[in-house]
Amino acid sequence: AQSVAQPEDQVNVAEGNPLTVKCTYSVSGNPYLFWYVQYPNRGLQFLLKYITGDNLVKGSYGFEAEFNKSQTSFHLKKPSALVSDSALYFCAVRDEGFQKLVFGTGTRLLVSP
Amino acid sequence: GAVVSQHPSWVICKSGTSVKIECRSLDFQATTMFWYRQFPKQSLMLMATSNEGSKATYEQGVEKDKFLINHASLTLSTLTVTSAHPEDSSFYICSASRIRDRGTDEQYFGPGTRLTVT
Repeated sequence: AQSVAQPEDQVNVAEGNPLTVKCTYSVSGNPYLFWYVQYPNRGLQFLLKYITGDNLVKGSYGFEAEFNKSQTSFHLKKPSALVSDSALYFCAVRDEGFQKLVFGTGTRLLVSP
Repeated sequence: GAVVSQHPSWVICKSGTSVKIECRSLDFQATTMFWYRQFPKQSLMLMATSNEGSKATYEQGVEKDKFLINHASLTLSTLTVTSAHPEDSSFYICSASRIRDRGTDEQYFGPGTRLTVT
């Protein structure tokens, strides 16, 4: 069975500092990994995905994520946080050949001015 | 491209009534649409997977007679909450995946519908 863990309920970072939002996963086959962001009372916006290829994936709004197979992790990163990055971030995984996405519990990112 | 809309964005209904929520892919054809439910400060819970022209596949624990899903075309899926009760109050989100590249394409999410049952 697929599963995703986001160990931090909330991450606090000052504007301009680098940020990391952690995600680990478990799948039986090859993982397809995704990051989404959700603003209050809104649906999810796609940030980036890893399917195959380079372990470092670059996405929208300056975000990137690094796939680490040995650690089964897919942490989201950004070199310099903005106050407008404050939102709820979800990591999700899909097992190769399946359509169903399994989401983590979400991490609230709070960027202070 | 790849825009998904939902209507209505919010709805308040009385206990015992039924509510229909529409999910549309505006600029692409969706082979599959998904319906999620999100409780406050919680993650998304997949309710069902809907393929055009066939019956929806419901996740374990989701009552198919209570949450009726119809996927009549490649751009429209509807979720009807029948005989709604206050515990059905939630944020309902749909998503759609494109007809091409089904194995690797991401899901595109709608903006969600806030349902409040009084």
